[in-house]
Amino acid sequence: GAGVSQTPSNKVTEKGKYVELRCDPISGHTALYWYRQSLGQGPEFLIYFQGTGAADDSGLPNDRFFAVRPEGSVSTLKIQRTERGDSAMYLCASSEREAGELFFGEGSRLTVL
Amino acid sequence: AQSVTQLDSQVPVFEEAPVELRCNYSSSVSVYLFWYVQYPNQGLQLLLKYLSGSTLVKGINGFEAEFNKSQTSFHLRKPSVHISDTAEYFCAVRENTGFQKLVFGTGTRLLVSP
Repeated sequence: GAGVSQTPSNKVTEKGKYVELRCDPISGHTALYWYRQSLGQGPEFLIYFQGTGAADDSGLPNDRFFAVRPEGSVSTLKIQRTERGDSAMYLCASSEREAGELFFGEGSRLTVL
Repeated sequence: AQSVTQLDSQVPVFEEAPVELRCNYSSSVSVYLFWYVQYPNQGLQLLLKYLSGSTLVKGINGFEAEFNKSQTSFHLRKPSVHISDTAEYFCAVRENTGFQKLVFGTGTRLLVSP
C-alpha cells in the first residue's frame, strides 16, 4: 500500500508478557518515528530512526522498551514484561526529508490486562 | 526543548459557526508548525503546516492558521464548520534544524452540533 502500515491493529496481552509491534513505512522514507498516545492525551515521542540507527531514543520510558530497524525500512517496537500502564495506542510515522511532514499509520492499540 | 500548549481541551460549536482552536508554542530556535486532525479510531492526518514564507497558511477542509512569531502562536481557524469536522485536533512543533522529533500538544476536541 501507499501509506504507513502497522500490525497488529489490536493486541491484548497479560501483564508480564512480551509484545512486538511492527511498522512498515512509506517506501523511500528514511526517517521513522514511534509515538505513544494514551487515552485523552496527545502523542508522546518515543524514538526515531534515521536509516538503520536510532537518532533519538530519549522518549523511551525505561529499559523494557526497545526498537529496531535493521534494514532501514520496517521497524519493530519491543516491550518486555508488559505492565498495565503500557496500555495505549502506539503510532508509527515516516518522513521523507528534513522539513517534510510526518505520515502516520493507523496505530496499534495495546491493552495489558 | 520545544513545547506546545493547547489551552482548550474541548470546544463546542454549532454547525456553520466559525471556530478558532488556540495553540501556543515555546522554543529557543526557529520552528516548523503543524496541525493534525484525528477522527475517532483513526490515525493522524495533516491539516496544514507552516515551514516558512507567508504567515497565513491554508490547509485541507477549509481550515487555515496564522503563524504569529511575536506571540508564539499558531491558531487554527475555520469560518464555517460542519458536523463532519467533529474530531480531535493536535498542534505540533518541530525545530527546523535537521531531522527532529515532532512535539504535540494535548489536543482540542471540536464538537460540532446541529
